[in-house]
Amino acid sequence: DQQVKQNSPSLSVQEGRISILNCDYTNSMFDYFLWYKKYPAEGPTFLISISSIKDKNEDGRFTVFLNKSAKHLSLHIVPSQPGDSAVYFCAAKYGNKLVFGAGTILRVKS
Amino acid sequence: GAGVSQTPSNKVTEKGKYVELRCDPISGHTALYWYRQSLGQGPEFLIYFQGTGAADDSGLPNDRFFAVRPEGSVSTLKIQRTERGDSAVYLCASSLIAGEVHEQFFGPGTRLTVL
Repeated sequence: DQQVKQNSPSLSVQEGRISILNCDYTNSMFDYFLWYKKYPAEGPTFLISISSIKDKNEDGRFTVFLNKSAKHLSLHIVPSQPGDSAVYFCAAKYGNKLVFGAGTILRVKS
Repeated sequence: GAGVSQTPSNKVTEKGKYVELRCDPISGHTALYWYRQSLGQGPEFLIYFQGTGAADDSGLPNDRFFAVRPEGSVSTLKIQRTERGDSAVYLCASSLIAGEVHEQFFGPGTRLTVL
């Protein structure tokens, strides 16, 4: 039973344009949502998070939006840069554990 | 280095053998987590330590898996009678205080291959 789903395995975006990565969840008990970025042969790196009581959090080029009624969150990257090319994982916090989606491979073309 | 370190980076073993995977968390971090990432999947929670004790081991798949953290710092994940299905990247993460700091800092992982 996948509680966190990232339905797009991959996304390709032109440099300078917006990247939008999506994530859906099923468990309404999740109290925090996080995005992690992963390069090959490295562990996931924390990118940005949002509390379940908020609907938006912004940090530089990265913005996360949360729609609780739809159980949906998204990560916007503007403008996208070639160095953003990586695997992006959506994660939801339940107690002291994180539940991850399967990831989306983002390719930013220059 | 200041990050989470894991050794070995790669481990190849034969079916039925015993393996140990080591994790050195960030100094001062009291919470330590083990995850397993299979090909094409996201990390899957295995076990979480608060200090020396396993506070939640609900993610361990069966009794062949065991983890310890005897002094509240380094942790070892132990797998007995390995099976081919155990092949995955095993990730360790630490956080300053469990439940208060939401960001878990991950190590590079140990890639385990069971032949």
